Amino acid sequence: DQQVKQNSPSLSVQEGRISILNCDYTNSMFDYFLWYKKYPAEGPTFLISISSIKDKNEDGRFTVFLNKSAKHLSLHIVPSQPGDSAVYFCAASAPTGANNLFFGTGTRLTVIP
Amino acid sequence: KAGVTQTPRYLIKTRGQQVTLSCSPISGHRSVSWYQQTPGQGLQFLFEYFSETQRNKGNFPGRFSGRQFSNSRSEMNVSTLELGDSALYLCASSLLAGGSYEQYFGPGTRLTVT
Repeated sequence: DQQVKQNSPSLSVQEGRISILNCDYTNSMFDYFLWYKKYPAEGPTFLISISSIKDKNEDGRFTVFLNKSAKHLSLHIVPSQPGDSAVYFCAASAPTGANNLFFGTGTRLTVIP
Repeated sequence: KAGVTQTPRYLIKTRGQQVTLSCSPISGHRSVSWYQQTPGQGLQFLFEYFSETQRNKGNFPGRFSGRQFSNSRSEMNVSTLELGDSALYLCASSLLAGGSYEQYFGPGTRLTVT
C-alpha cells in the first residue's frame, strides 16, 4: 500500500516559469517530509525538507508547502531552469526512531528552454 | 568530504544465485539504510542499520539480509535470486537514526537477474 503518492508521473514547464510538484500521503503519523531530486545514474539528492510543525519552508528557488489537514505537500520551483530537469521524489517519515523513509513513485520534471 | 560509495555499480546474476552489495557511508555517519528502486514502485525501504544493529526492516522476504560493521560500512545480501529482484539498490547514510536526519544516497548498484 503506497502511503506516499505522486499522482503526476511527468510535468513539463517552460524555463523561467513556476514548477509545482504535488505529493499526497495517507499516514497521519508522518511528521517530517522531504523532497529529493534524482538524475539518471545517480542516487537521489536531498533538496528540501519540512517538519509537520511548519506549513512552509523556503530555500532559494525552492519552497515546500505542507497542508496537514489535506495530507498534501507541494514543491514550488521558481524560476524553473533547464538544470532542474530530473525526477523528483517526495518522502515522509514517522517518529518511530528509525530512518525508514516512505517514498512516492516520483515525478519527472522537464524544463523546456 | 567523500560521499556515499557503493560497489559494485553494475551486476548481472542468474536466478538462484546469491549476491552481496557493499556500501560505505559518509565519514562520521552511523546510520545506513538500504532501498530498492523498481520502475513504478519508487523507492522501497529494505532495512536500516545503526551501530551494527538492525533497527528497522521493510516488508521484504527473508532472502534479503544485511549487516553493518564497526566502521559503519554495510553489506546487503540477497540469496536465491529471482527475476523480480532486478532493480537499483540504493544505500543511504545519515548522521544518526531518528527519522529527521536527511539521508544521503549513494549512486546505487544496478542488479540484473537473468
